[in-house]
Amino acid sequence: GAVVSQHPSRVICKSGTSVKIECRSLDFQATTMFWYRQFPKQSLMLMATSNEGSKATYEQGVEKDKFLINHASLTLSTLTVTSAHPEDSSFYICSAPRTGQGTDTQYFGPGTRLTVL
Amino acid sequence: AQSVAQPEDQVNVAEGNPLTVKCTYSVSGNPYLFWYVQYPNRGLQFLLKYITGDNLVKGSYGFEAEFNKSQTSFHLKKPSALVSDSALYFCAVREGYGGSQGNLIFGKGTKLSVKP
Repeated sequence: GAVVSQHPSRVICKSGTSVKIECRSLDFQATTMFWYRQFPKQSLMLMATSNEGSKATYEQGVEKDKFLINHASLTLSTLTVTSAHPEDSSFYICSAPRTGQGTDTQYFGPGTRLTVL
Repeated sequence: AQSVAQPEDQVNVAEGNPLTVKCTYSVSGNPYLFWYVQYPNRGLQFLLKYITGDNLVKGSYGFEAEFNKSQTSFHLKKPSALVSDSALYFCAVREGYGGSQGNLIFGKGTKLSVKP
């Protein structure tokens, strides 16, 4: 089955630093990837849609200058949390839809737990 | 606007008993419906989906779901629950139709607890 990986799985950083999270589709190409944020005991909230070769589309209320998204290739999207603060601590999950072969399911990465001290 | 409702925060079931996790949806067009399961500190795993065709959809780990258009529901079911089924379950609807690039709208999740 399709696999999506995320790296790192867990990161702890100091307030004010930047953290980069990678999302890779391992056995298929994805022109679009989605970044979600999940707070404890809550559902996933879509942050932005990452588009290969063009600018990301951000959801209302998500600061594009704080959450930088780069979709550098058909298998890699990165989310950089700039000048992180404790309130940015969360579980970040990416997903990629797999097209073709009669499938249209999104495959999710394992998530990245960010803790900002 | 599309939306998904999971009315139960938690469902408790004894091992071996049937389980149902409820989901209702609201969309303007044809619904594309999904169930995902999340284990602690893990990402989401795909269980099953309804796009078109048979209303009863069978998925991974013995789960199934029934699409009911008149009741706008897509309840998740399993005939005999296992302790290992204990996890957080999310129902989702895909925004828009035509193509597969639309993002998913998630319900708030239902915690399933299966006791031995």
